[in-house]
Amino acid sequence: QKEVEQDPGPLSVPEGAIVSLNCTYSNSAFQYFMWYRQYSRKGPELLMYTYSSGNKEDGRFTAQVDKSSKYISLFIRDSQPSDSATYLCAMCGSGSARQLTFGSGTQLTVLP
Amino acid sequence: DVKVTQSSRYLVKRTGEKVFLECVQDMDHENMFWYRQDPGLGLRLIYFSYDVKMKEKGDIPEGYSVSREKKERFSLILESASTNQTSMYLCASSGPPAVYEQYFGPGTRLTVT
Repeated sequence: QKEVEQDPGPLSVPEGAIVSLNCTYSNSAFQYFMWYRQYSRKGPELLMYTYSSGNKEDGRFTAQVDKSSKYISLFIRDSQPSDSATYLCAMCGSGSARQLTFGSGTQLTVLP
Repeated sequence: DVKVTQSSRYLVKRTGEKVFLECVQDMDHENMFWYRQDPGLGLRLIYFSYDVKMKEKGDIPEGYSVSREKKERFSLILESASTNQTSMYLCASSGPPAVYEQYFGPGTRLTVT
């Protein structure tokens, strides 16, 4: 069993929809939770990070962590065609940890 | 603007060839990483380095080696390329302070025939 599981999709939604992307994990030592976005033919870039449990909002994006369920989510409100990308969750055990454990990524397409 | 550059975007090599992939970062980052990315498998860590001349094995180091002679440069070496090493190779670097924030290069699509 992988340490981090992520539904690969592909996920296709109409413009303006609310998108929910999710990951589950098995390692209870994970404390930092990240979402990376990867456009086609580009490297991933950090979108958001959250420390421990709770919610974090940045514009149309909300990251949610439920450590009791070992479940993290990324919500995208009012989705736009420019949000079409692969979204990867990542996590690590501490702020000083160098290694990240990545999910396999979910491919999202937002249709105009 | 922070930048991680990789020596080639596309590379085609023959089985048995020695292959060098180079990565340069301009952020004075301590940590540098090499991943490969395959459909359905996500990002898998090959090697990482937390200082000049230091290296640590990742999850899939077999068939690869690395070199870090200067802080800004991290090289991945395929000693004898094989077809199962056909993949997208991504280099990344990270701080401190936010070592969990990794900056990625654009990737090298390597095909071994």
